[in-house]
Amino acid sequence: AQSVTQLGSHVSVSEGALVLLRCNYSSSVPPYLFWYVQYPNQGLQLLLKYTTGATLVKGINGFEAEFKKSETSFHLTKPSAHMSDAAEYFCAVSFSGGYNKLIFGAGTRLAVHP
Amino acid sequence: GAGVSQSPSNKVTEKGKDVELRCDPISGHTALYWYRQSLGQGLEFLIYFQGNSAPDKSGLPSDRFSAERTGGSVSTLTIQRTQQEDSAVYLCASSLWRLAGGPDTQYFGPGTRLTVL
Repeated sequence: AQSVTQLGSHVSVSEGALVLLRCNYSSSVPPYLFWYVQYPNQGLQLLLKYTTGATLVKGINGFEAEFKKSETSFHLTKPSAHMSDAAEYFCAVSFSGGYNKLIFGAGTRLAVHP
Repeated sequence: GAGVSQSPSNKVTEKGKDVELRCDPISGHTALYWYRQSLGQGLEFLIYFQGNSAPDKSGLPSDRFSAERTGGSVSTLTIQRTQQEDSAVYLCASSLWRLAGGPDTQYFGPGTRLTVL
């Protein structure tokens, strides 16, 4: 069965520090990988996605993620955190061959302190 | 253009009552998804529509849950005889659909927060 694991339900960083949110997946077929962000009382917004091609994917708001097949990982990074990055982040996978049902990780809540 | 809209934004109901949640997808999006976000279960897929048909209902938790989509547009998720464990945020998403070339982005609505007393 396919699954997604996000290491760390809560991550706290200082403003200006590196943000690293970890995501590992389990799949028997090539995955499509996504990171979504959810601000308080809002829906999910796509940050970035990997489908095929370049394994380093750049997204909105300065975020990027790298697909590492050998490590079954898709970690999200940002070089310098802003206060406005405080939100909950979800890693998700879907699989080729049909429609795009998303399987989500449990989420990581990012706190940014001055 | 307008994004995905959902109504109501909040719904409080009594145990045993029926509720209807509505989703208006982005115009032209043939694929529509319902998800549920709850403290205990995280984000779970419920049902997928392609046009008016639902080829995957595998995520519906019980036969008290049903959904329909009419005119390839608006969708309604109905929960009959609500239970306290149905309390959650119900999210709707829509996307274009293509046979090959990878998935199109799902755009999410703001959700309906359902509270069952």
